[in-house]
Amino acid sequence: GDSVTQMEGPVTLSEEAFLTINCTYTATGYPSLFWYVQYPGEGLQLLLKATKADDKGSNKGFEATYRKETTSFHLEKGSVQVSDSAVYFCALSNTGNQFYFGTGTSLTVIP
Amino acid sequence: ETGVTQTPRHLVMGMTNKKSLKCEQHLGHNAMYWYKQSAKKPLELMFVYNFKEQTENNSVPSRFSPECPNSSHLFLHLHTLQPEDSALYLCASSQEALTDTQYFGPGTRLTVL
Repeated sequence: GDSVTQMEGPVTLSEEAFLTINCTYTATGYPSLFWYVQYPGEGLQLLLKATKADDKGSNKGFEATYRKETTSFHLEKGSVQVSDSAVYFCALSNTGNQFYFGTGTSLTVIP
Repeated sequence: ETGVTQTPRHLVMGMTNKKSLKCEQHLGHNAMYWYKQSAKKPLELMFVYNFKEQTENNSVPSRFSPECPNSSHLFLHLHTLQPEDSALYLCASSQEALTDTQYFGPGTRLTVL
């Protein structure tokens, strides 16, 4: 069945460091891919999404490119801030009315 | 109020209690969801409602009973829970069921003693 695998955390970075959180997926057909973020004490918020191959989603300095050839949707940011500390979830939705989340990757940015 | 709201934010209950979680969405969406979030596990989709009709029930024990009186409100009735049911329960909504961007509430932190 469809699934999402994202890198284990936790990830700790210094402020202004480069961030990559890996996400790969298994799916039939042409799923849509998402990154959600969960700040402490809050629910999940959509960070960005891509609906077809080679699309790049971007928001708040974060980017992810839908790579069908490698079945990946890695999250990147060039310079992280303390306020980016949160848990990041990769997710996919597919035809057949299914939605799958990864296990989440905790990011801590230290000043 | 905007977005998706959930009450209460925190709940502690004994195994013999009956309680209910409430979710309300102010986005005009047609679909609503309950998820369970436990430490180090993927989000578990519990129930999906589309236009007030339940379309998914992912093998959830009967001690969890959902209710959707209209497209804006969703309840999760709890009775005779177990300690392993302690988790963060998240409500979400979307315009279309399961294929569209979902908007989440802040969650209810449930502790079962």
